Amino acid sequence: EVQLVESGGGLVQPGGSLRLSCAASGFTFSAYAMRWIRQAPGKGLEWVSAISDSGSSTYYADSVKGRFTISRDNSKNTLYLQLNSLRAEDTAVYYCARVYWGTYRYLDYWGQGTLVTVSS
Amino acid sequence: EIVLTQSPGTLSLSPGERATLSCRASQSLSSSNLAWYQHKRGQAPRLLVYGASNKATGIPDRFTGSGSGTDFTLTISRLEPEDFAVYYCLQSGSSPYSFGQGTKLEI
Repeated sequence: EVQLVESGGGLVQPGGSLRLSCAASGFTFSAYAMRWIRQAPGKGLEWVSAISDSGSSTYYADSVKGRFTISRDNSKNTLYLQLNSLRAEDTAVYYCARVYWGTYRYLDYWGQGTLVTVSS
Repeated sequence: EIVLTQSPGTLSLSPGERATLSCRASQSLSSSNLAWYQHKRGQAPRLLVYGASNKATGIPDRFTGSGSGTDFTLTISRLEPEDFAVYYCLQSGSSPYSFGQGTKLEI
């Protein structure tokens, strides 16, 4: 069974940092690209960052570019998102998701999310 | 960047009724890269439809996706109580991926 479990969220002051983790199981993690998506309170889903299966290619939404860093450790089946210079508007539930990339392309499995609250 | 616009923003219906949700893209996209998700508070988003019209594993027959080009539709033929949630479309053919703003389906 495919499972994605996020962790690392919490309360942090503006300007602070957090590292989110997404532990993957039930599939060959190194064969799949991954994504981070977030949902701010009362808002819709927003794509945050992307990483290729090998980790050699990464992409960021303009809203987080230069502040967030996505990475992965395929030996540990874990995806990461380093959040620096946090702002109040980064408050959200952060989800990791697996990319299905074949004839069709979509996010097929998601984690339950981890809440990040940026507040003084 | 492809912008997805969902309508209506909120849809108020009763169990047993039919729901029609729309997702319009700012430019034509491949049907292969259009998906629909159901999202309930505190849960992971659930994949309903991929490739615009293909039901994901375990999704009931009452959910149907259709459309092409810039106009896509998710239809729920007879609403069950568990269907009341927020629904999002996602395009994954053009970077950055983008979601619609969501349609809230409420009783």
